[in-house]
Amino acid sequence: DVKVTQSSRYLVKRTGEKVFLECVQDMDHENMFWYRQDPGLGLRLIYFSYDVKMKEKGDIPEGYSVSREKKERFSLILESASTNQTSMYLCASRSPTGNRPYEQYFGPGTRLTVT
Amino acid sequence: GNSVTQMEGPVTLSEEAFLTINCTYTATGYPSLFWYVQYPGEGLQLLLKATKADDKGSNKGFEATYRKETTSFHLEKGSVQVSDSAVYFCALLQNTGTASKLTFGTGTRLQVTL
Repeated sequence: DVKVTQSSRYLVKRTGEKVFLECVQDMDHENMFWYRQDPGLGLRLIYFSYDVKMKEKGDIPEGYSVSREKKERFSLILESASTNQTSMYLCASRSPTGNRPYEQYFGPGTRLTVT
Repeated sequence: GNSVTQMEGPVTLSEEAFLTINCTYTATGYPSLFWYVQYPGEGLQLLLKATKADDKGSNKGFEATYRKETTSFHLEKGSVQVSDSAVYFCALLQNTGTASKLTFGTGTRLQVTL
């Protein structure tokens, strides 16, 4: 079974802090994604990476950056956290070249509160 | 660009009731369509899929048919259970190339009561 793990389930940070959210997948997937989930807005793509050291902006990249130094790990960085970044953050991975190219596997999410 | 529109929730049903959650999409060409489910406290997981027109996806008693003429992919279940209480997301994938991305609807919360 594919497993996508996220470093924390709950996180509380102060305004202006630098925040790192870590995601690790164990299935050698090429693609990894970071979403935020907010009530009434569904899932919005922040950044994605289609391979190591490759990244592309999603729909709402402002205030975020990412790092993918190893294939299994994809980090989301909030350079200076703000209260409007309080949200649920979901990581996902996918292999477009595998036998199930359409299926994304999600982690359990990190609920971040910025005070 | 691509978009997915789902019916607003929450949807509240009694156990054994019939469920329909509407989903329509806008996309060029022939996207693949999906329903993902998010149980409380968990991430999303794939429920079912359809990759071409007139395909019917099914899983765990849920079904959805890819209707190109109406650009719809409505989710149905004949008899819901309390354990089906979750948030359901309709999504499309324009292609399965290296850099393709899912487009999600806003989600529909289903609450099933005894």
